[in-house]
Amino acid sequence: KQEVTQIPAALSVPEGENLVLNCSFTDSAIYNLQWFRQDPGKGLTSLLLIQSSQREQTSGRLNASLDKSSGRSTLYIAASQPGDSATYLCAALNTDKLIFGTGTRLQVFP
Amino acid sequence: EAQVTQNPRYLITVTGKKLTVTCSQNMNHEYMSWYRQDPGLGLRQIYYSMNVEVTDKGDVPEGYKVSRKEKRNFPLILESPSPNQTSLYFCASSPHRVYEQYFGPGTRLTVT
Repeated sequence: KQEVTQIPAALSVPEGENLVLNCSFTDSAIYNLQWFRQDPGKGLTSLLLIQSSQREQTSGRLNASLDKSSGRSTLYIAASQPGDSATYLCAALNTDKLIFGTGTRLQVFP
Repeated sequence: EAQVTQNPRYLITVTGKKLTVTCSQNMNHEYMSWYRQDPGLGLRQIYYSMNVEVTDKGDVPEGYKVSRKEKRNFPLILESPSPNQTSLYFCASSPHRVYEQYFGPGTRLTVT
């Protein structure tokens, strides 16, 4: 059964830092891996989706990588801003089920 | 505007009183899904639907029902709600299961 883990559970950094969020999964037979952002009291916003055949995806200051063989994905955020404060979730798609990690709560302070 | 809508957004009910949470999408998506989010457990899939009239169980289907009679709608039905179904519920849709999923704003349900 697929298990998805995110470390750290919480992270607090000063504005301007580059940071890396980690996601690991136990079953490498995934179709894709997605990164989401969740703001308090709100729904999920999709940030990046990496298909199993891809190694990375980029969108603005965000870069996500995927290493299926080691069961890992990372989300790199460049030049962090206070507006990046949110919970970041990764999710792995196996067959028809999307399995989520429990998230990393990020706070970027001025 | 392309979106997934859920109603109601907030609901407080009592044990055993049947309720339905509606989900609708205007993007002509084939795939729709329901999740619940609980502290410490993250998001878990309840049911999903690959297309009209095709639904299947996710990881936590007990106590829930769904139907997919039209492409745009995917209601979640709790026939006899219990306190352990108190949670934050999300509906999502996608053109296909392997594509990006779009989430609704969530429904916070409290069962007393």
